[in-house]
Amino acid sequence: GPKVLQIPSHQIIDMGQMVTLNCDPVSNHLYFYWYKQILGQQMEFLVNFYNGKVMEKSKLFKDQFSVERPDGSYFTLKIQPTALEDSAVYFCASSTGTANTEVFFGKGTRLTVV
Amino acid sequence: GDSVTQTEGQVTVSESKSLIINCTYSATSIAYPNLFWYVRYPGEGLQLLLKVITAGQKGSSRGFEATYNKETTSFHLQKASVQESDSAVYYCALGGSGGNYKPTFGKGTSLVVHP
Repeated sequence: GPKVLQIPSHQIIDMGQMVTLNCDPVSNHLYFYWYKQILGQQMEFLVNFYNGKVMEKSKLFKDQFSVERPDGSYFTLKIQPTALEDSAVYFCASSTGTANTEVFFGKGTRLTVV
Repeated sequence: GDSVTQTEGQVTVSESKSLIINCTYSATSIAYPNLFWYVRYPGEGLQLLLKVITAGQKGSSRGFEATYNKETTSFHLQKASVQESDSAVYYCALGGSGGNYKPTFGKGTSLVVHP
């Protein structure tokens, strides 16, 4: 079936540095999402994105976070600068956005900030 | 805000026995939420197991069933006879439809099926 690819699967970064998490969504999808899951806790919504714009973001989507999808390429989540509490697994998802559509998730990128 | 509470931690069941994973929800931002069960098999990404969009209806997939009960705000996942291949993490979720999908997840329940 359709797959959302996330690259890399694991990234280790020094606190204060910038990191970009890449997501290759399903090709005909229009809505994109990022979720964050800290170990032992639930997956929590960060942001959704449509037509080049952020539609909605949660309280977890700090000012240091940004998303973009330039010209149909990767959908990216950038964190600048990173903090220790950003260590988590980040899941990308995409959908066509039509009623009753299925949302497809990637396998996640484990981010470790040291 | 919206929230989902499900059986926490790990559930261990012997093969061919029955299973129930409890899920209750609270939807404050969505008048008529859609309800979902997602599953993550070892080494795989999260995938949709079943969904129900209408209160009172039942969804089923791969032998699993869940009924959308608006009165008790529940969406328990059941299976009459589990198999070792059902070992995975199961997530209950609620969301809107279309572009307002944005599912809210429970914490996940790890199912271990022993042969």
